[in-house]
Amino acid sequence: EPEVTQTPSHQVTQMGQEVILRCVPISNHLYFYWYRQILGQKVEFLVSFYNNEISEKSEIFDDQFSVERPDGSNFTLKIRSTKLEDSAMYFCASSEEYFGPGTRLTVT
Amino acid sequence: ILNVEQSPQSLHVQEGDSTNFTCSFPSSNFYALHWYRWETAKSPEALFVMTLNGDEKKKGRISATLNTKEGYSYLYIKGSQPEDSATYLCASNNAGNMLTFGGGTRLMVKP
Repeated sequence: EPEVTQTPSHQVTQMGQEVILRCVPISNHLYFYWYRQILGQKVEFLVSFYNNEISEKSEIFDDQFSVERPDGSNFTLKIRSTKLEDSAMYFCASSEEYFGPGTRLTVT
Repeated sequence: ILNVEQSPQSLHVQEGDSTNFTCSFPSSNFYALHWYRWETAKSPEALFVMTLNGDEKKKGRISATLNTKEGYSYLYIKGSQPEDSATYLCASNNAGNMLTFGGGTRLMVKP
């Protein structure tokens, strides 16, 4: 059974710092996604990525966020200057069917 | 902004009971409806993808129906088992790649 992996499982950072969340999606898939879930709220779509570029992004995905697939394997989400409200569980998905286990980001 | 709602928010049943819960979603520009099963500390696991009005899908004791005209889907679990305890999420895709998720139904099955 193919699986999506994410690292780290938990990241604690100070407000204003940059963080990079990493994902290894399933290699022969074409679409990749980032979602987040703030504690107690619904899972929210952030961005979809196809053919090495952003396919669609939500209002949440502002200039502080960026994604890339630098080496054809890893799929990363960067938050340039974290805010307290960025604290959430961040999920990577490969197609819409395979989710990673998530990275819990805590901004202090 | 689409609104996808699930009810109930949580549900406690006894082992052996059958149960069902609802996902409502906007019917305009509908493309697909996804159901996921999400156990604590694990990745959400895809159960069904449904696209056609009247569609019914089944996986073991779990089945789902879809009504795209009125914008709802039901998930049924027959003869619930303790291992069915999880949060069941639905998500609607109304054109584009953006999935909009409901709040989930948390199911607890008591032995």
